[in-house]
Amino acid sequence: DVKVTQSSRYLVKRTGEKVFLECVQDMDHENMFWYRQDPGLGLRLIYFSYDVKMKEKGDIPEGYSVSREKKERFSLILESASTNQTSMYLCASSGPVPLAGGSYEQYFGPGTRLTVT
Amino acid sequence: SQQGEEDPQALSIQEGENATMNCSYKTSINNLQWYRQNSGRGLVHLILIRSNEREKHSGRLRVTLDTSKKSSSLLITASRAADTASYFCATGNTDKLIFGTGTRLQVFP
Repeated sequence: DVKVTQSSRYLVKRTGEKVFLECVQDMDHENMFWYRQDPGLGLRLIYFSYDVKMKEKGDIPEGYSVSREKKERFSLILESASTNQTSMYLCASSGPVPLAGGSYEQYFGPGTRLTVT
Repeated sequence: SQQGEEDPQALSIQEGENATMNCSYKTSINNLQWYRQNSGRGLVHLILIRSNEREKHSGRLRVTLDTSKKSSSLLITASRAADTASYFCATGNTDKLIFGTGTRLQVFP
């Protein structure tokens, strides 16, 4: 079974702190993603990565950065946390074999609920 | 940019009833996926339907796709309390998926 793990289920940080969210997958997937999920807004893509040391901006990258030094690990960094970054953060991975039609099934971690006070 | 919009936003039914949720999207697609999310957890893939398919079944799930209307529906038959979750459609023609806003389904015993 594919396993995607996230470093924390719940996290409370103060405004201005630097925050690291870690995600690890054990299926040798090339693709990894970070989303945030807010009520009424669904999942919004922050950043994604197709390979080690590669990253692409998603729909809402402002205030975030990412790091992918190893294939299995994708980190999301909040350089200076703000209260509007309080949210549920979901990591996902996919690949290497696509489903029919060319899309990939994404495998999700359990999520990190981050509160910034 | 949100590609999919689910309807209704929330749905409450009794065990044994059928649950239908709908998804509308904006651009042309090669396929559409449905995912399920239990409360406070990550999403789990349920089923994929290709653009040249009109209907697909998997157990108690039935998915339809109408590309002319840019819409899809997910039907859960004979629902169970364990089906209580949020359901999301997702579209994407490459590695990246765009998720809808989700339907929260509550099934009462």
